[in-house]
Amino acid sequence: EDQVTQSPEALRLQEGESSSLNCSYTVSGLRGLFWYRQDPGKGPEFLFTLYSAGEEKEKERLKATLTKKESFLHITAPKPEDSATYLCAVQARETSGSRLTFGEGTQLTVNP
Amino acid sequence: AAGVIQSPRHLIKEKRETATLKCYPIPRHDTVYWYQQGPGQDPQFLISFYEKMQSDKGSIPDRFSAQQFSDYHSELNMSSLELGDSALYFCASSPRYEQYFGPGTRLTVT
Repeated sequence: EDQVTQSPEALRLQEGESSSLNCSYTVSGLRGLFWYRQDPGKGPEFLFTLYSAGEEKEKERLKATLTKKESFLHITAPKPEDSATYLCAVQARETSGSRLTFGEGTQLTVNP
Repeated sequence: AAGVIQSPRHLIKEKRETATLKCYPIPRHDTVYWYQQGPGQDPQFLISFYEKMQSDKGSIPDRFSAQQFSDYHSELNMSSLELGDSALYFCASSPRYEQYFGPGTRLTVT
């Protein structure tokens, strides 16, 4: 069974204080690892897809990296508008329907 | 850019009633997924369709059914509603692997 564990559950940062979120996963053949941002009461917003170990992707203040067992979402000099829940999800190669299995998320708060 | 459209956005039903949620995928996306997200929880996969055929089934109760129509929109039908069905229901569409989520339907069962 595919499993995704995210840490920490919650993170409070001061504006400009860089940090990283962790996503550990167990999957029988990884097709892709996905990062989403979710604001309260809204749908998850797609950020990145990583397909193979060593891959990195960047978007503004966010950078995602992938190893064979975990992924990190690095946030550089965050701003209050980066406050949200960040969800990590995996997609297994063997599933015919490409379902996503999510972690429980990291709730990020950036104080001004 | 066009996004996934879901309707209604909010729905209040009583126990044992039925509900129908609709999803209109992004144009040219041929796969639709349904997820349920309870308060404080992560999204849980329910069911998916590819080219109008069911492609995968997750933890969807037997009281729920879904289909994808010829215009690729999808409907999730929920019968004999229970208090525990209160949740956010998301539809996502995909051209290949990446899934783009709609704004969700908030279902409240009283």
